[in-house]
Amino acid sequence: GAVVSQHPSWVICKSGTSVKIECRSLDFQATTMFWYRQFPKQSLMLMATSNEGSKATYEQGVEKDKFLINHASLTLSTLTVTSAHPEDSSFYICSAKTTGYGTDTQYFGPGTRLTVL
Amino acid sequence: KNQVEQSPQSLIILEGKNCTLQCNYTVSPFSNLRWYKQDTGRGPVSLTIMTFSENTKSNGRYTATLDADTKQSSLHITASQLSDSASYICVVSPMDSNYQLIWGAGTKLIIKP
Repeated sequence: GAVVSQHPSWVICKSGTSVKIECRSLDFQATTMFWYRQFPKQSLMLMATSNEGSKATYEQGVEKDKFLINHASLTLSTLTVTSAHPEDSSFYICSAKTTGYGTDTQYFGPGTRLTVL
Repeated sequence: KNQVEQSPQSLIILEGKNCTLQCNYTVSPFSNLRWYKQDTGRGPVSLTIMTFSENTKSNGRYTATLDADTKQSSLHITASQLSDSASYICVVSPMDSNYQLIWGAGTKLIIKP
């Protein structure tokens, strides 16, 4: 089946630094990738949708200048948390959508745990 | 407003027992309903996907049912194992969206030996 990887799986950083998280579709091409955030004991919240070669579409309330998303190829999307603060500590999950219509073609990565000190 | 509500919030059962998790939704029309299993600190993994016209779907010891008239779904787990301890999330996809997913808050299931 389709596999999505994320790197790193966990990261600890100091407040004010920037952190980059990678999301890769390993055995398929993903025209669309999604970034989610999940706080403890809560469900996933969609942050943004990125399409290869174009600007990401952010959900309401998500700061696009703080969460930079780049989808430079059909197999890689990156999320950069700029000037991270403790309130940005969360579990970040990406998913990748294969070509073709239908939401049943979204595959999720294993997640990245970000802790900002 | 599109919503997905799950019950119970948490559940503790003994290993080997069966259990049923509930999902009520208001999303209409919808294209499919899916159940995910999410282990702590991991991404969600799909268990079942049902279109609006399907009533049941099985995946090993997991059986999902769907009643589109009452807008309810359930996930039944038989002969539970310790590895079933996880959060189970009900997710509904609206008909008019290519990618949007409406997520439930999940049910935290704990299997005790």
